[in-house]
Amino acid sequence: EAQVTQNPRYLITVTGKKLTVTCSQNMNHEYMSWYRQDPGLGLRQIYYSMNVEVTDKGDVPEGYKVSRKEKRNFPLILESPSPNQTSLYFCASSLSPIVRSQDTYEQYFGPGTRLTVT
Amino acid sequence: ILNVEQSPQSLHVQEGDSTNFTCSFPSSNFYALHWYRWETAKSPEALFVMTLNGDEKKKGRISATLNTKEGYSYLYIKGSQPEDSATYLCAFRGIYNQGGKLIFGQGTELSVKP
Repeated sequence: EAQVTQNPRYLITVTGKKLTVTCSQNMNHEYMSWYRQDPGLGLRQIYYSMNVEVTDKGDVPEGYKVSRKEKRNFPLILESPSPNQTSLYFCASSLSPIVRSQDTYEQYFGPGTRLTVT
Repeated sequence: ILNVEQSPQSLHVQEGDSTNFTCSFPSSNFYALHWYRWETAKSPEALFVMTLNGDEKKKGRISATLNTKEGYSYLYIKGSQPEDSATYLCAFRGIYNQGGKLIFGQGTELSVKP
């Protein structure tokens, strides 16, 4: 079954304790992305990756790191979490988003990770 | 700054009512408009991807229209059912969006009462 998986689904942690949220997809997608969802703000992109070893900042990258050593995995790293990073996080993947006429590439979302930083 | 607005923010209807909501997006550099359905504790689920002005898409009782010249899309649900209760998200993709980014609206939260 084609899917994007995230772990953990729920996490409560304390300020400053490094954590990693894993994301994996089995669709051989080039493009992967992390979003955070906060009430009233919609989904905002944190980081994205166009392919292995190619990553770039989205709209709200501060306090986050990512890596893309393999095509299927795109972990999100919080080196020193703070309470303002309490949020619902989604990983997504798709085929390459390079614009081609008549082609559109749907993004497939993981189930979400609800993170609370106290 | 590219802005995507959805209205209303929330909607409460009775089972059997038909409803519609709006997504407004920049009318320039348009590439695609996505609609997602998001139930609490689940992944956002793709409903439609629309690319051409005048596009109309339909999936069961849900349909959507697209006007790229004026920058809006409507989502319609005919004969709402309790299982339609969810947040409906639209997302804009522009030709020059960095990294193929989707810019999401805040969503319309639909509640259908039996």
